[in-house]
Amino acid sequence: DAGVIQSPRHEVTEMGQEVTLRCKPISGHNSLFWYRQTMMRGLELLIYFNNNVPIDDSGMPEDRFSAKMPNASFSTLKIQPSEPRDSAVYFCASSLMAGGADTQYFGPGTRLTVL
Amino acid sequence: DQQVKQNSPSLSVQEGRISILNCDYTNSMFDYFLWYKKYPAEGPTFLISISSIKDKNEDGRFTVFLNKSAKHLSLHIVPSQPGDSAVYFCAARLSGTYKYIFGTGTRLKVLA
Repeated sequence: DAGVIQSPRHEVTEMGQEVTLRCKPISGHNSLFWYRQTMMRGLELLIYFNNNVPIDDSGMPEDRFSAKMPNASFSTLKIQPSEPRDSAVYFCASSLMAGGADTQYFGPGTRLTVL
Repeated sequence: DQQVKQNSPSLSVQEGRISILNCDYTNSMFDYFLWYKKYPAEGPTFLISISSIKDKNEDGRFTVFLNKSAKHLSLHIVPSQPGDSAVYFCAARLSGTYKYIFGTGTRLKVLA
């Protein structure tokens, strides 16, 4: 099992540019989560999907952020236009929601730097 | 508004001794609590969980305690090993959802 795959691992861009982060969840998992990690706020949930449908996007900071899950094996998080304060590590996680304390499996993260 | 708080950003413990990591929460609507461990340049990995209807769960060297009246949980690691050095996050799930709220993390350093 390859685990959750994220790309790119590192992204450096200039303010105003569009950034697209990608995630491939674990096969068979029905839920996908996007998180952002910063020193000040720790891990913040941005949005999560269940069966490819966005369930809760209340954590998406602004309209500049958007996420899609066109199928069960792929999701994107897009920031347009990017700003320096978006610099953070972005994690994707997947899980099999079957009741109980469903374990989330995290990818290695994408470190985004906006200059 | 931080609903899940880890007030100690760092902790150092001697190898072989007990490590105690603490987490406080404010929302009574959490039904599950989890601990994750994170090494540098990797994603968090699940460590142990506890349901809100229990007060203790144990898995090998790791034990999580839940005090609902105090809205407090703790992770005990005994004995601590150098390989336990990592950042530990506590997380709480909102009842009726699959939404997890994470704390800001505690960096544990186990000294050999």
